Amino acid sequence: AQRVTQPEKLLSVFKGAPVELKCNYSYSGSPELFWYVQYSRQRLQLLLRHISRESIKGFTADLNKGETSFHLKKPFAQEEDSAMYYCAPHRGTNAGKSTFGDGTTLTVKP
Amino acid sequence: GAVVSQHPSWVICKSGTSVKIECRSLDFQATTMFWYRQFPKQSLMLMATSNEGSKATYEQGVEKDKFLINHASLTLSTLTVTSAHPEDSSFYICSARDRGGGSYEQYFGPGTRLTVT
Repeated sequence: AQRVTQPEKLLSVFKGAPVELKCNYSYSGSPELFWYVQYSRQRLQLLLRHISRESIKGFTADLNKGETSFHLKKPFAQEEDSAMYYCAPHRGTNAGKSTFGDGTTLTVKP
Repeated sequence: GAVVSQHPSWVICKSGTSVKIECRSLDFQATTMFWYRQFPKQSLMLMATSNEGSKATYEQGVEKDKFLINHASLTLSTLTVTSAHPEDSSFYICSARDRGGGSYEQYFGPGTRLTVT
C-alpha cells in the first residue's frame, strides 16, 4: 500500500535555526514527490517538487531512494515559515492521486 | 499561475438540506479534480477523484450517494452534500490538475467551510 509518514506533528524552532521536516514514503515504482505548504488562513500551495531540484524560499528537499525519504530542509528558519507542511508523493500515472502525509506544523519562534 | 476557485467560501445550512459546492479552474483545463475534507489542525482526507466526463472514484468509506460529484466540463466540478447532518460540518477543499501540465502538481481552491445546524 502507498503510504507517506511525517513523524513530527509539531515542530518548533527559533528564528535562524536550521529546520528539517521529515517525510518517509512507501511507494512502488518511482513516485514524483511534492511538498505543499499551508500558511495561516491561506490555501494549500506547492512549495517544491523533487524533479525540478529547485530551492523555494530557502527550502530544499532531497529525494533519498535508498531510505525512501524526502525530507524538507532550510538552514535558517524565518518567522514567516511558520505554517503547516505536507509531503505528498504521487505515483507517476495520469490517473493517480497524491497521498498526503498527516502534515507537520512548523512554528518559528522569534 | 494556475488558479482554482471555490464557491461558496462558507455556507450554513439546516440539517436535512443539500448543499452544492463548486470548484472551477480559472485559467487552465483540468482533466482531474480532487475533493478533500479537512478537519481542524488535521491533514487532508481525500474523498474522491473526479475525471471530466466520467464517474467519480470515491475513497473507501466515503458514501457516494451522500457526496455527489459531477465533473461536467474541463473547468468545473461540483460536490453536493445531500441530506446534510451536523457531522458533515467541515472544511471542503478541491484541487485540480492541469491537463496540459507535465507534472502531477495540484492547484488548490481556497476551501469551503460548511456548517450544518
